[in-house]
Amino acid sequence: EAGVAQSPRYKIIEKRQSVAFWCNPISGHATLYWYQQILGQGPKLLIQFQNNGVVDDSQLPKDRFSAERLKGVDSTLKIQPAKLEDSAVYLCASSLAVLRGAQLSYEQYFGPGTRLTVT
Amino acid sequence: AQSVTQLDSHVSVSEGTPVLLRCNYSSSYSPSLFWYVQHPNKGLQLLLKYTSAATLVKGINGFEAEFKKSETSFHLTKPSAHMSDAAEYFCVVSDPGTASKLTFGTGTRLQVTL
Repeated sequence: EAGVAQSPRYKIIEKRQSVAFWCNPISGHATLYWYQQILGQGPKLLIQFQNNGVVDDSQLPKDRFSAERLKGVDSTLKIQPAKLEDSAVYLCASSLAVLRGAQLSYEQYFGPGTRLTVT
Repeated sequence: AQSVTQLDSHVSVSEGTPVLLRCNYSSSYSPSLFWYVQHPNKGLQLLLKYTSAATLVKGINGFEAEFKKSETSFHLTKPSAHMSDAAEYFCVVSDPGTASKLTFGTGTRLQVTL
């Protein structure tokens, strides 16, 4: 089974420039997540999609960040304009809801991430 | 609100000795708890998960964790460390009410020396 694919793996840009990241989730996974992981911290959820609809974007800085999942499969995350503090690893994950007993379980599978450096 | 606290930012052990990575959680519900491992330049990998079944959970690569509700803890252990265990480990909580939303701890870097 192919895992979550992300590209590019590394990106260096200057502040005020724009950048886009791409994610291809595991086939059949309806839920897709974007996380930001700043050096020395745990990943923080930016946005969650269920198929092509947004479930949670409460932590997404909407003045500069945007994300879409138009056909309910691939997703892109964009930053425009970038700031120095956006330097981080951007992780994409996908999950499939599995009923275990009486409880739904969502095991998330993570991609390798995109390391963004803003100079 | 749910949260986890990883009590050590860095743990160093000798190869062949036991590993203990500590995690305390805070949750309004009966939580689901996970441990993820992150090797350099690689994606996060699920080690094990607790979802209200057996309190002692066995995971991959010889790791296990015990859910202790009275202590609100979910510590990760391994009887004998291997050099390949050197990585960053994250304790993660998910409340049933929020379905799939994961809240990560700040991570513990495990160093394994000869």
